[in-house]
Amino acid sequence: HVRLQESGPRLLKPSDTLSLTCTVSGGSIISLNWWGWVRQTPGAGLEWIGEAFYGGDSAYNPSLNSRVSISMDKLYNRLSLSLVSVTAADTALYYCARGATHAGTTRVVGAFDIWGQGRMVVVSS
Amino acid sequence: QSVLTQPPSASGPPGQRVTISCSGGRSNIGTNDVNWYQQLPGTAPKLVLYNTNQRPSGVPDRLSGSKSGTSASLAIGGLQPEDEADYYCASWDDTLKGVIFGGGTKLTVL
Repeated sequence: HVRLQESGPRLLKPSDTLSLTCTVSGGSIISLNWWGWVRQTPGAGLEWIGEAFYGGDSAYNPSLNSRVSISMDKLYNRLSLSLVSVTAADTALYYCARGATHAGTTRVVGAFDIWGQGRMVVVSS
Repeated sequence: QSVLTQPPSASGPPGQRVTISCSGGRSNIGTNDVNWYQQLPGTAPKLVLYNTNQRPSGVPDRLSGSKSGTSASLAIGGLQPEDEADYYCASWDDTLKGVIFGGGTKLTVL
């Protein structure tokens, strides 16, 4: 079974950089899957942050585009999220997730079939 | 406010069929497939339908999906207590150039 586990700081100050890591076990990030991040807040619900394909393309939420990046590390089989210049509005539960494929080959855009348990990040002065 | 509109709540007694709607526009549901997630309290979302009507392995065939124009629906037949959860629709938006989610529907099994 593929499992995802997020890790990183839980408390940040405004203007800090949010850095989260998602370690993948039971499978490889070098696959036909995209890998991404989704966050959730009580007020705004679920929000797609972005996703990436190892050695290839990436896509980011245009509302975060200038602040966000996703990188992938094959040595440690993990993906990372970086979000710069955070504000209180970035307080959320951050999930990493594996992009789903159809028949094991075709990317299904907007579908994530395996999720981590989530990492709550609070931005406060 | 979400680009995809869902009713905030839905309910039904055990055994009944319930439908949850997701209304969008031409740039999202009107052009692209819809995915549905179930989220139980305190847990991560779980993909229950993708490409509008495809079920991932392990999802019962009591759940089905459809799309017409700029709206999509998730139907749950033979409602069971364990179906009580929040349900979210999601789709790609060609104008926004990103994945968008509905605001979620809280399903209560009476």
